[in-house]
Amino acid sequence: DTGVSQDPRHKITKRGQNVTFRCDPISEHNRLYWYRQTLGQGPEFLTYFQNEAQLEKSRLLSDRFSAERPKGSFSTLEIQRTEQGDSAMYLCASSLGGQGRKTGELFFGEGSRLTVL
Amino acid sequence: DQQVKQNSPSLSVQEGRISILNCDYTNSMFDYFLWYKKYPAEGPTFLISISSIKDKNEDGRFTVFLNKSAKHLSLHIVPSQPGDSAVYFCAARTSYDKVIFGPGTSLSVIP
Repeated sequence: DTGVSQDPRHKITKRGQNVTFRCDPISEHNRLYWYRQTLGQGPEFLTYFQNEAQLEKSRLLSDRFSAERPKGSFSTLEIQRTEQGDSAMYLCASSLGGQGRKTGELFFGEGSRLTVL
Repeated sequence: DQQVKQNSPSLSVQEGRISILNCDYTNSMFDYFLWYKKYPAEGPTFLISISSIKDKNEDGRFTVFLNKSAKHLSLHIVPSQPGDSAVYFCAARTSYDKVIFGPGTSLSVIP
């Protein structure tokens, strides 16, 4: 399968614990995006990368959230000291940006669902 | 600041009729607009897009119309089929490839 994959698909944790999500994009895609989605809402932009460079981080994102894409391939999203309000679906997407960009179509993974008790 | 708005949370249409989903945006700097479809427990999947320099794009049963002066776009599905029942997200892309999504419209196509 050559689509976007996310791991784990489900994570249940206690408040105050740290969690890390991994995203493997489509191999030739240089852009990688993280979104958060809660029930009844659209995907909320968190951050995105061009290769290993983080281009923008949402100002809504607290310092407890950090994302990396160390070698321009897979990415991790870490949430420290989780709170109940962090419970959501975390979506990763990738695309071909820059000179290879076409319509801006993002290809999404199936998401990682976080439940904070 | 909600830059992409979908003011109808839900829409119900009879099979075979036209479905019209609406979207409004506030940022004139968006260069592409996209529609995504989402089924439960799956990630969103791309449906159709339109460049900001066009006013219409058609792909099979799906047509997107863009009215730049009104900062409004719409997705038309005709004829609607029960398999079209899903949540539809309008999205807009900046020249830096940042993509912003609207809150979505849940479409139900009734057989």
